[in-house]
Amino acid sequence: DGGITQSPKYLFRKEGQNVTLSCEQNLNHDAMYWYRQDPGQGLRLIYYSQIVNDFQKGDIAEGYSVSREKKESFPLTVTSAQKNPTAFYLCASSSTGGRNEQFFGPGTRLTVL
Amino acid sequence: GENVEQHPSTLSVQEGDSAVIKCTYSDSASNYFPWYKQELGKRPQLIIDIRSNVGEKKDQRIAVTLNKTAKHFSLHITETQPEDSAVYFCAASGGTSYGKLTFGQGTILTVHP
Repeated sequence: DGGITQSPKYLFRKEGQNVTLSCEQNLNHDAMYWYRQDPGQGLRLIYYSQIVNDFQKGDIAEGYSVSREKKESFPLTVTSAQKNPTAFYLCASSSTGGRNEQFFGPGTRLTVL
Repeated sequence: GENVEQHPSTLSVQEGDSAVIKCTYSDSASNYFPWYKQELGKRPQLIIDIRSNVGEKKDQRIAVTLNKTAKHFSLHITETQPEDSAVYFCAASGGTSYGKLTFGQGTILTVHP
């Protein structure tokens, strides 16, 4: 299960606070992705990046922000503008954009108190 | 953009029976269709994928079929075992969705001993 890691595993946040989720990969993958998983809704794409210093909005980008300053790292910030942030967040990476296997991290469960 | 519908949302079978999960997609230009399995509390993992130039692909007890004309693809699991119990996700990529995967809503498969 090595190769892509996420931290922390569990995260608690008070309303109105920003929080940053970490995602690191040592697979030398160019592309990285952030998904949100809610019961009965599958995996919804928040942001993705196919190359360093570039990223695109996914289907549910509002209230989130990302950066891609290094190939290995793709942190996700959940801002106070996200109205319902409690969810399971999954990071993934792949060798090229879209047509190759995506490898997932173990996930971070965020709970807003 | 791409839209993927997955059915059924839950599926219950007896050990040894077959299980079939179906997905439809909207973008006729999509050309890559992976299936992921997510066991309880774990990360999604790729179990099989198919590309648009192939109609069927098998790997031991699992197979995937693709009908490009009808824009649907299916996962078939034969001789099911209790360890097949998990959530299964289909996805599509390519065309207007190049560089990212669009996932179905997931199917909770339960195999009863």
